[in-house]
Amino acid sequence: DAKTTQPNSMESNEEEPVHLPCNHSTISGTDYIHWYRQLPSQGPEYVIHGLTSNVNNRMASLAIAEDRKSSTLILHRATLRDAAVYYCILSYANAGNMLTFGGGTRLMVKP
Amino acid sequence: SQTIHQWPATLVQPVGSPLSLECTVEGTSNPNLYWYRQAAGRGLQLLFYSVGIGQISSEVPQNLSASRPQDRQFILSSKKLLLSDSGFYLCACHPGTTYGYTFGSGTRLTVV
Repeated sequence: DAKTTQPNSMESNEEEPVHLPCNHSTISGTDYIHWYRQLPSQGPEYVIHGLTSNVNNRMASLAIAEDRKSSTLILHRATLRDAAVYYCILSYANAGNMLTFGGGTRLMVKP
Repeated sequence: SQTIHQWPATLVQPVGSPLSLECTVEGTSNPNLYWYRQAAGRGLQLLFYSVGIGQISSEVPQNLSASRPQDRQFILSSKKLLLSDSGFYLCACHPGTTYGYTFGSGTRLTVV
């Protein structure tokens, strides 16, 4: 199974952009890159996903490297409510679309 | 978009007692359904998933079981709880397309 590698934690200042990296060097051609985040004592929340092209939505942007071996989740202006654990996950199209969660990156936002 | 109802929010059960956690889904038909568990300070572990009524796949052997009696109902059970069953249990739903998953609000189970 293709796995992802993320830093354990990152810090950001409020209202500044945040770039959360993810390495997935063994990604296969049909793997989608998903990002979820989990606020304390809550279930994970979908943030964004993509396959090859960069993606934007109201929450964040996803920049995918040309070789797809890495990606970056971009929060354009961090707020205190963005403090959470961010998970980068590859979905496997031939396995019932299961999500396998790694350790994620704990983002701390300083006021 | 789909909505997941999961209850109860918190539960304290003695060792050896039975367990039944229920999850229901609204807003979609024939979704893939999942049970995850998160131990304190740890990541999410996939326990069971289901692609249809009566179809259950187990990812981790343990004293828990799952059932899907209806298309949008997913139940997690145990006949006798262990201390190690304590954790945060999350139900998740996926519509079977490339869109994102929806997670329930979770049940925090403490086995004492």
